[in-house]
Amino acid sequence: AQKVTQAQTEISVVEKEDVTLDCVYETRDTTYYLFWYKQPPSGELVFLIRRNSFDEQNEISGRYSWNFQKSTSSFNFTITASQVVDSAVYFCALSPNAGGTSYGKLTFGQGTILTVHP
Amino acid sequence: DGGITQSPKYLFRKEGQNVTLSCEQNLNHDAMYWYRQDPGQGLRLIYYSQIVNDFQKGDIAEGYSVSREKKESFPLTVTSAQKNPTAFYLCASSSQGTGYYGYTFGSGTRLTVV
Repeated sequence: AQKVTQAQTEISVVEKEDVTLDCVYETRDTTYYLFWYKQPPSGELVFLIRRNSFDEQNEISGRYSWNFQKSTSSFNFTITASQVVDSAVYFCALSPNAGGTSYGKLTFGQGTILTVHP
Repeated sequence: DGGITQSPKYLFRKEGQNVTLSCEQNLNHDAMYWYRQDPGQGLRLIYYSQIVNDFQKGDIAEGYSVSREKKESFPLTVTSAQKNPTAFYLCASSSQGTGYYGYTFGSGTRLTVV
């Protein structure tokens, strides 16, 4: 069975602070995908990043960066110099990379509510 | 523009009624999914379909039914057997094949029992 844990239920920061959202996952699959999604108040899920389990390189995209550590089963997300527009719910998710009936099913964490105050 | 359309955006159901949530995609994706979102619980998979005329139960299928008669459409019916249907429902689709490019989500339907 797969499981994704986001231990931080809510985080509140002041604008321009850096913030890290934690994600820990469990899977028996040897290959898998990890995702981060953003859910603004409008409700739609916005794709942020996908990482293949073979690729442990960290990634930076503008103010966003991701730290994937297979040894600790973690895929943490950092926002540098946070802005009010970053306020949203952030979800970490896991998918197997295999055939059969499990193909493509996403398992989500509980989500972290991020509030950035001006 | 390609995408997923969910309708209606808000839906109110009386006790004992069945209601159907619509999900249409024009992305030519093979797979479609229904998720339910409750506060503090993340998203949970209700049903998914990988090809037309075939679908499988997810983690919380009880009280729900689906159909997949067309590749573009994957409606979800919330039946009277679902005891706590008030939630936010999200539809998604994904492509399959040798690559895997993630999901596209709709904007959701918020269902309230009155």
